[in-house]
Amino acid sequence: DAGVTQSPTHLIKTRGQQVTLRCSPKSGHDTVSWYQQALGQGPQFIFQYYEEEERQRGNFPDRFSGHQFPNYSSELNVNALLLGDSALYLCASSLYHRGQVTDTQYFGPGTRLTVL
Amino acid sequence: AQRVTQPEKLLSVFKGAPVELKCNYSYSGSPELFWYVQYSRQRLQLLLRHISRESIKGFTADLNKGETSFHLKKPFAQEEDSAMYYCALSGRGSGTYKYIFGTGTRLKVLA
Repeated sequence: DAGVTQSPTHLIKTRGQQVTLRCSPKSGHDTVSWYQQALGQGPQFIFQYYEEEERQRGNFPDRFSGHQFPNYSSELNVNALLLGDSALYLCASSLYHRGQVTDTQYFGPGTRLTVL
Repeated sequence: AQRVTQPEKLLSVFKGAPVELKCNYSYSGSPELFWYVQYSRQRLQLLLRHISRESIKGFTADLNKGETSFHLKKPFAQEEDSAMYYCALSGRGSGTYKYIFGTGTRLKVLA
């Protein structure tokens, strides 16, 4: 099991452009969460996808959007890139059990986005 | 406000010395608390969670709801413990799916 995989590893964009990041969850997992980690900071929760819908969203503008596919893989899209969007973007997967009150997140290696 | 605070950016200890990484949280509800660790050139991974009440690699953490703290402790630090440690909380126990991370503490264990 390769665990959570993300692509690409690195990406360089210019201000105003749009970017799409991809994530494949750990085998058997059905839930994907996305995080932004700026330099020297902890991961910041962007949103979580379950059953192909956004189930929870953090404090991020609508420029950040996502999608989950029937095979549970996910994409993060960011429109109108700003310099401040430069960060490491982490994807994490988990398995949802109704009634379970804890969910361990399994993280991917991240995609490093640089906006010039 | 919902937040996780890790007051120390860097903690240096000598091998064999006790370690305590501090974590305080602010959350209106019943959060689940976790410690995640990132070793050099590796991805972020779970170290332990409060509901399991287990010891992993000699580390333990007790949830103190009165002080809203979840400090990570180890009686005798090893060089291989050097890593970045993040305290995190999940709102699953309160009906949300949001995860909140602290800013992290870098632990350096000196020989």
